[in-house]
Amino acid sequence: AQKITQTQPGMFVQEKEAVTLDCTYDTSDQSYGLFWYKQPSSGEMIFLIYQGSYDEQNATEGRYSLNFQKARKSANLVISASQLGDSAMYFCAMRVFSSNTGKLIFGQGTTLQVKP
Amino acid sequence: DGGITQSPKYLFRKEGQNVTLSCEQNLNHDAMYWYRQDPGQGLRLIYYSQIVNDFQKGDIAEGYSVSREKKESFPLTVTSAQKNPTAFYLCASTSYGQGGSPLHFGNGTRLTVT
Repeated sequence: AQKITQTQPGMFVQEKEAVTLDCTYDTSDQSYGLFWYKQPSSGEMIFLIYQGSYDEQNATEGRYSLNFQKARKSANLVISASQLGDSAMYFCAMRVFSSNTGKLIFGQGTTLQVKP
Repeated sequence: DGGITQSPKYLFRKEGQNVTLSCEQNLNHDAMYWYRQDPGQGLRLIYYSQIVNDFQKGDIAEGYSVSREKKESFPLTVTSAQKNPTAFYLCASTSYGQGGSPLHFGNGTRLTVT
């Protein structure tokens, strides 16, 4: 079965510090992609970063980086220099390419609160 | 600006009534998706469509119906058969649904059924 697991329902971080949000995935396919989205309290889903299963380098986008450990099937999101505006819910998601559907499978999410 | 428009933002209905949620995109995307989000939970796929006049059931399609008569539009009907319809509904689209092409989401419709 294909599944995404986010084990941290809630996290706190001090402003300007770095924080890691955990994500593990389960698939027997070799070709897949991993996505992270941010959902503020307004409800919109904002795409943050993508990592393909064959990408050798960890993905980075500004203050976001993805710590991809293929053997452990983990794709943790690292946010550096946290800002108050980073307070939101964060979702990890997976696309399995063999399905040819384009759909994303989402985890339960982690709520991040940044303290001033 | 291109994007996905979901309307209305809030919707209230009485139990036993069907209700249709609108989703329109002007991104020229082929694939469109409907997800449901319950409090404290992740997104679950209801239906998706990769081409006009064709759509497929997702993981929780029971009690829902869709149509895809135009590329830009993918309305979702929540029928009276849906046992727990109160939820946050998100519509999404993507250009070719492969590789790293992310899903682009609308701002969602919060449906409350009493």
